[in-house]
Amino acid sequence: DIQMTQSPSSLSASVGDRVTITCRASQSIGRYLNWYQQKPGKAPKLLIFAASSLQSGVPSRFTGSASGTDFTLTISSLQPEDFASYYCEQSYSSPNTFGQGTKLEIK
Amino acid sequence: QVQLVQSGAEVKEPGASVKVSCKASGYTLTGYFIHWVRQAPGQGLEWMGWINPLNGGTNYAQKFQGGVTMTRDTSSSAVYMELSRLTSDDTAVYYCARDGAVAGQILGHYGMDVWGQGTTVTVSS
Repeated sequence: DIQMTQSPSSLSASVGDRVTITCRASQSIGRYLNWYQQKPGKAPKLLIFAASSLQSGVPSRFTGSASGTDFTLTISSLQPEDFASYYCEQSYSSPNTFGQGTKLEIK
Repeated sequence: QVQLVQSGAEVKEPGASVKVSCKASGYTLTGYFIHWVRQAPGQGLEWMGWINPLNGGTNYAQKFQGGVTMTRDTSSSAVYMELSRLTSDDTAVYYCARDGAVAGQILGHYGMDVWGQGTTVTVSS
């Protein structure tokens, strides 16, 4: 199985900050990398697919990038509604695997 | 609007089975694969497998092979996930999610774009 190592596991930041979350794949996955946001008690929500494509309706402050097996989610200017957990997912090969998650908290 | 609506919470005893439904509306069920993902309390997301509602084809994570069965009923636009021989480790929220790829596109390339609200399954004696 492909392992997805996500960091950090938790992050404290303030409204207006720029934050970056990283996922590293244990082998090449091309650009088959997706990012999800999950709020407590809610289903995950797709933010970014194919490493850098913004899902319809998602604010442009969310961007994704890729370099080899390293993938990054950046939130350019944190808004109050962005405090949530974030997960990466590789969909290159079965089984799909998720990173461990990053909990983004208000500082 | 496009949505997936899941069945309600379940409480089961160890060794029993559970069957969770996921009903699609606002789009044609057979046009998109459906994944099942679970989340144990306080834990991350775990992919269980997918079903192709067009022909009933399935792909299960090896961990769940022999214990999970995914089926569909196109007449009611629903898919089902049945998990057997439950243990306390199966206590989790179970989600169905639509793969964003339409026919002819590459599965997984577009992420899981529509999610059900989740079904809590509690396994306890």
